[in-house]
Amino acid sequence: DAKTTQPPSMDCAEGRAANLPCNHSTISGNEYVYWYRQIHSQGPQYIIHGLKNNETNEMASLIITEDRKSSTLILPHATLRDTAVYYCILVVSHFFGNEKLTFGTGTRLTIIP
Amino acid sequence: DTGVSQNPRHKITKRGQNVTFRCDPISEHNRLYWYRQTLGQGPEFLTYFQNEAQLEKSRLLSDRFSAERPKGSFSTLEIQRTEQGDSAMYLCASSWEGLVTSTDTQYFGPGTRLTVL
Repeated sequence: DAKTTQPPSMDCAEGRAANLPCNHSTISGNEYVYWYRQIHSQGPQYIIHGLKNNETNEMASLIITEDRKSSTLILPHATLRDTAVYYCILVVSHFFGNEKLTFGTGTRLTIIP
Repeated sequence: DTGVSQNPRHKITKRGQNVTFRCDPISEHNRLYWYRQTLGQGPEFLTYFQNEAQLEKSRLLSDRFSAERPKGSFSTLEIQRTEQGDSAMYLCASSWEGLVTSTDTQYFGPGTRLTVL
């Protein structure tokens, strides 16, 4: 079972920042927070990941609380192409690599024109 | 395009028939994963390979399912005696996992949608 909790759906106006929350209150010290998204009828796409520091890349920013029990994915200027299901996933990282992904049901984000 | 490719993209079959799907990972990736996704749900892990070795199998992978990666490159997933409950999207992903460097991420293919009539 997924160890994260996300709202089932959210709307965001085009051009505004989309803030997607994720609760992971039972996170372990060796678990990273990963975000993927899945646009309709496509395979999931990696967005960003982090351990305890905030992270930013060309797609999004990831804010992780100090106690690591929750995080927020931020899409700074949402476009219609950002409409997708967003998955927050905890991934155990070992010396020899990461473990498999355990998806939940995610948040269906709809960008409103 | 050097991403993960899957063939066929769609497969319709009758109950009881055997089907085989192929996945070609990103060429330098040593890990290959298979996932299954049913309507309205997130993908579920089935199995993964490190090079040609199958290292983990989910309990979802019944005896009717078999996966191979014979030369550590492409992989096939075969379902024997298909059932209507096998109807789903079958996703393949690949990654590079090494002692020194890692891509830290799995790259997914577009999936094969199976419909069992």
